[in-house]
Amino acid sequence: DTGVSQDPRHKITKRGQNVTFRCDPISEHNRLYWYRQTLGQGPEFLTYFQNEAQLEKSRLLSDRFSAERPKGSFSTLEIQRTEQGDSAMYLCASSFADYNSPLHFGNGTRLTVT
Amino acid sequence: QQPVQSPQAVILREGEDAVINCSSSKALYSVHWYRQKHGEAPIFLMILLKGGEQKGHDKISASFNEKKQQSSLYLTASQLSYSGTYFCGTEWGSQGNLIFGKGTKLSVKP
Repeated sequence: DTGVSQDPRHKITKRGQNVTFRCDPISEHNRLYWYRQTLGQGPEFLTYFQNEAQLEKSRLLSDRFSAERPKGSFSTLEIQRTEQGDSAMYLCASSFADYNSPLHFGNGTRLTVT
Repeated sequence: QQPVQSPQAVILREGEDAVINCSSSKALYSVHWYRQKHGEAPIFLMILLKGGEQKGHDKISASFNEKKQQSSLYLTASQLSYSGTYFCGTEWGSQGNLIFGKGTKLSVKP
């Protein structure tokens, strides 16, 4: 168990650019979640996968955000045409697909849009 | 809907007790509790399922009141290491979509 790994740890980009983040979950876990967290707030749900299927996506999520988990292992989160309001910590978590399974979080990718 | 946590912040001296509450306006299926220290990822503490069970781990325990749709986290004889922000995450079905509250910042002073 090497934990949930996220890459990069930090990303600075200019407004209007596209960015992509990667998450490698714990290998035995079949669920993978993406959250966004801003200072002083709790993690905000973005989307989650069970294996390669995207089961739910937040209705608050802009069409500029897209996530994939092509082979049911690692996942990518892409943000197109970034805006300053996208600046946040993007957290990935994984778990087993059991109703009482805890989420294991990665250390996150901090995005700064200038 | 996002669960509501109270209080927003607590300052304790070592050895004092604290209670953090998490309330939902919708019927809950389960409640998760996590602690996050500054600059780190949230760490899992415990899960409570509907049925009113109570769980404990060392000097941290929690309860789930299904009638009130509320969970409470109890920290007894607090230690410096308990400092951090505590989040509850709630599920309203078994599909796995976990929604977090805004957090309660706990500061334990020597």
